[in-house]
Amino acid sequence: DTAVSQTPKYLVTQMGNDKSIKCEQNLGHDTMYWYKQDSKKFLKIMFSYNNKELIINETVPNRFSPKSPDKAHLNLHINSLELGDSAVYFCASSQDINNEQFFGPGTRLTVL
Amino acid sequence: AQKITQTQPGMFVQEKEAVTLDCTYDTSDPSYGLFWYKQPSSGEMIFLIYQGSYDQQNATEGRYSLNFQKARKSANLVISASQLGDSAMYFCAMRENGSNDYKLSFGAGTTVTVRA
Repeated sequence: DTAVSQTPKYLVTQMGNDKSIKCEQNLGHDTMYWYKQDSKKFLKIMFSYNNKELIINETVPNRFSPKSPDKAHLNLHINSLELGDSAVYFCASSQDINNEQFFGPGTRLTVL
Repeated sequence: AQKITQTQPGMFVQEKEAVTLDCTYDTSDPSYGLFWYKQPSSGEMIFLIYQGSYDQQNATEGRYSLNFQKARKSANLVISASQLGDSAMYFCAMRENGSNDYKLSFGAGTTVTVRA
């Protein structure tokens, strides 16, 4: 059973396009996150949702819009993709502040 | 300001030997958690070990142990009896519990290469 899943695993697209990355967790966790890992492997939080409510938005351009239809899903929609958006995007989830975050397999986004 | 500092960009270790990965952190929050994750070349992030700021004992998980020195604000990861499969990038991360946002702040990572 996959705990945190993301689709697609790879995404190659042209500049200016709009794309979505889906994330689902079957762990019953209350909190979900999106992280971005750049070409230098640096990981940085983008968004966090707790019980479907946004609790973190870390100076991310408003071209990025997270959507949480329910506690088990946190999708990431990106409008007007730019070259600098190329990165690996990780979804994660956790139960509460005393537990580790479980990461999805990552989505490698390449913008041409 | 950088919250997590990992000063070793890369390390080599001989198989079966132990290796210590350095991590120092910066926070004024009295309650925080420290985590280590492993990222092999396949890309997934694998949780290894957790240390809470109020934990009295150093955390251990199999071959992984955390050398927690609170006064020095360091949380070094020790991998004992290294195996070839330990070759990966290792990230130290911190969660500040007072912020109520649960986010992890990551260090830049250390690449470990285990030699046969």
